Amino acid sequence: AQKVTQAQTEISVVEKEDVTLDCVYETRDTTYYLFWYKQPPSGELVFLIRRNSFDEQNEISGRYSWNFQKSTSSFNFTITASQVVDSAVYFCALTEGGGSQGNLIFGKGTKLSVKP
Amino acid sequence: NAGVTQTPKFRVLKTGQSMTLLCAQDMNHEYMYWYRQDPGMGLRLIHYSVGEGTTAKGEVPDGYNVSRLKKQNFLLGLESAAPSQTSVYFCASSPGTAQFFGPGTRLTVL
Repeated sequence: AQKVTQAQTEISVVEKEDVTLDCVYETRDTTYYLFWYKQPPSGELVFLIRRNSFDEQNEISGRYSWNFQKSTSSFNFTITASQVVDSAVYFCALTEGGGSQGNLIFGKGTKLSVKP
Repeated sequence: NAGVTQTPKFRVLKTGQSMTLLCAQDMNHEYMYWYRQDPGMGLRLIHYSVGEGTTAKGEVPDGYNVSRLKKQNFLLGLESAAPSQTSVYFCASSPGTAQFFGPGTRLTVL
């Protein structure tokens, strides 16, 4: 069965520090998709990135970067030079069933607090 | 382009009452989903739909029913609310790539 584990329940950093959020997944599918979502204190869920299982290239978007390693079943998320506005709960998710439209299996989230 | 909207934003029910949550999307997405979010549990899928007129059960479907009579709307019904259904409910839609979420409905069942 599919499973997503975010072992870090809460992380607290000081502004401008770099921080990495860990995500480990389990799946029997050979084709699958991984996602990261951000949930700020206002409560909405914001899509950050989608990655398919065939694309192991790391991705960078501004201060955000993602490291996908199939060998360790990990899809980690790094925020460089963190800012107070990055304070949120971050969820890693995995599609069920192989297609990108499949149901999402979410991790329990990591709450990131960035202090000024 | 409003994206995904949910009605209502907040609701308080008494045990045994019924209600319907409405999700609407204006992006012409085929796929729609209902999740619930509980503290420390992440999001769990209740029901989903792969197209107009079709619905299917997710991980935690008991106590809920859904309907997708129109492509743009996905309704979630609680026939007899229970305190265990106190949660934040999120609707999402997808064109087949990523899922895009509504703002959520906070439901309290007393």
